[in-house]
Amino acid sequence: GAVVSQHPSWVICKSGTSVKIECRSLDFQATTMFWYRQFPKQSLMLMATSNEGSKATYEQGVEKDKFLINHASLTLSTLTVTSAHPEDSSFYICSARELGQGNNEQFFGPGTRLTVL
Amino acid sequence: GQNIDQPTEMTATEGAIVQINCTYQTSGFNGLFWYQQHAGEAPTFLSYNVLDGLEEKGRFSSFLSRSKGYSYLLLKELQMKDSASYLCAVSGFKSSASKIIFGSGTRLSIRP
Repeated sequence: GAVVSQHPSWVICKSGTSVKIECRSLDFQATTMFWYRQFPKQSLMLMATSNEGSKATYEQGVEKDKFLINHASLTLSTLTVTSAHPEDSSFYICSARELGQGNNEQFFGPGTRLTVL
Repeated sequence: GQNIDQPTEMTATEGAIVQINCTYQTSGFNGLFWYQQHAGEAPTFLSYNVLDGLEEKGRFSSFLSRSKGYSYLLLKELQMKDSASYLCAVSGFKSSASKIIFGSGTRLSIRP
């Protein structure tokens, strides 16, 4: 149980285009999903917290107009990188917290590697 | 502010024991996690400590001292496949009870 999927697993795009990444909890309902970014040889940096049916909460320094987050249902959150540039190239990982879970454990998706040319 | 510190790199020998330390200073606390991450993959859950003391799970054990803001991950009988990054993470901030913040990670290399 507690499987989180991401799609796509990797994407290459041209500078200026927008890219949408999906995060799905496959066998549980997720009240909260989190989006992280990880640059090579660095740790995970939390970008935003996404709650179903409400606006996402962004961490300091993360542009909400550039990284659009939609959490339309208890099993799906999407991250759209708008007008992507080479510096946005990174490994994007989502995680989900199960409804009613007491210990704050998050289940991670496999990640999406974005390369912007 | 929030600060989670752990060594950047460590090296150990196959079959040996290694301890990875983590210290934290955060605005709130509701538990400490250890995750393992192989290169190019997502983190996988290893352990969760919310009370002081040692939690043992097979070859891996994790210790927590809340008064000292300190945790360690102990890996026994090291195997080559244990070469990975180990991430210390804290949850339970005043701004968001469910948010988890990660330390910079410790890259562990196992030599034969």
